[in-house]
Amino acid sequence: GAVVSQHPSRVICKSGTSVKIECRSLDFQATTMFWYRQFPKQSLMLMATSNEGSKATYEQGVEKDKFLINHASLTLSTLTVTSAHPEDSSFYICSAPQRGVAGELFFGEGSRLTVL
Amino acid sequence: GEDVEQSLFLSVREGDSSVINCTYTDSSSTYLYWYKQEPGAGLQLLTYIFSNMDMKQDQRLTVLLNKKDKHLSLRIADTQTGDSAIYFCAEAPGSGGYQKVTFGTGTKLQVIP
Repeated sequence: GAVVSQHPSRVICKSGTSVKIECRSLDFQATTMFWYRQFPKQSLMLMATSNEGSKATYEQGVEKDKFLINHASLTLSTLTVTSAHPEDSSFYICSAPQRGVAGELFFGEGSRLTVL
Repeated sequence: GEDVEQSLFLSVREGDSSVINCTYTDSSSTYLYWYKQEPGAGLQLLTYIFSNMDMKQDQRLTVLLNKKDKHLSLRIADTQTGDSAIYFCAEAPGSGGYQKVTFGTGTKLQVIP
């Protein structure tokens, strides 16, 4: 089946630094990718929709200057958490739909961000 | 907005059947999904059902949909320790694309050997 890979799987950084998380579709092209945030024991919250070749669409309440999204190619979307603070610590997951596969989203393995 | 609710925790003995329940509020839901999340990992689609179906069976998994009551269930037969995970139900309308997928709160399934 289709594979979506995220990197890094785990990152620890100091407060005030920026962290980039990559999401790649390995065997299919994805014009759209989704970024979610998952808090402990909670569901996934959609943060933004990443669109290849155009600006990302952010959900209400998500700071676009804080969470920069770039979708430069049909197989890569990046999420950069800028000037990270401890409250940004979370599990970030990306997903991508595969064209022609009805109703299925393929998820990355997730990236655990810890901001000290 | 749309709301998808699940019980938080379920514990079963290995070999027994597990039934995970989900209720949703959006009457325009067309796609209903079950995802599995193992610790520290992303979500894996287990199965999905269209709203015009009542039941779908795939090996050990049986999905039942009661559209009138907006109730979805996932039955896992002969539950194994490897089935221990968090299970999310999710729904999406017929239009609006994948960004309109709403996930439930997740049910943590614990399988006791």
